[in-house]
Amino acid sequence: KNEVEQSPQNLTAQEGEFITINCSYSVGISALHWLQQHPGGGIVSLFMLSSGKKKHGRLIATINIQEKHSSLHITASHPRDSAVYICAALLPGGGADGLTFGKGTHLIIQP
Amino acid sequence: GAGVSQSPSNKVTEKGKDVELRCDPISGHTALYWYRQSLGQGLEFLIYFQGNSAPDKSGLPSDRFSAERTGGSVSTLTIQRTQQEDSAVYLCASSLATGTAYGYTFGSGTRLTVV
Repeated sequence: KNEVEQSPQNLTAQEGEFITINCSYSVGISALHWLQQHPGGGIVSLFMLSSGKKKHGRLIATINIQEKHSSLHITASHPRDSAVYICAALLPGGGADGLTFGKGTHLIIQP
Repeated sequence: GAGVSQSPSNKVTEKGKDVELRCDPISGHTALYWYRQSLGQGLEFLIYFQGNSAPDKSGLPSDRFSAERTGGSVSTLTIQRTQQEDSAVYLCASSLATGTAYGYTFGSGTRLTVV
């Protein structure tokens, strides 16, 4: 069974700071998702990646398959980035156990 | 549609009432999943549909929960006689196939509050 760990659990930073959220998993995966959950509960898919790096605006996601580790970075952070960020690791084969979620990182960006 | 659509986005219901949550996956996606995020918890698997196969219901927490997927497309998650512990965000996802190098496409979730 895949175990997915996120760190930190909580992060408070000042506007403009560079943010890094980490995700590690225990078994080989085919891909990893990063999700953003806003205070109202709505969820937005940010990235799906299986190797290397992806960038969208101020968000950058990287993955190292050999080290079983992914990071989500936010450059020039802004209060509107305040949300819970969740990583989800995707096993080959899918099915009921195919996707394992981390418990999320609660990010607060203070103005 | 362009993405996975869930409705309603928010639902407040009285304890004991039945509720239906809807998920409209991407056209052609054969795999559909429901997950639940209870307060303070991570997202947990509820049920999985793959094509015409019998669904995997191993994550459903009680017999008050049921789900259907009609015509291999829209899915409805029904909770009967709701309890306060059913309050959660319910998330739907679909995938082109299982064994997904294709990844998942997620809905935006339904926040259910039982009062």
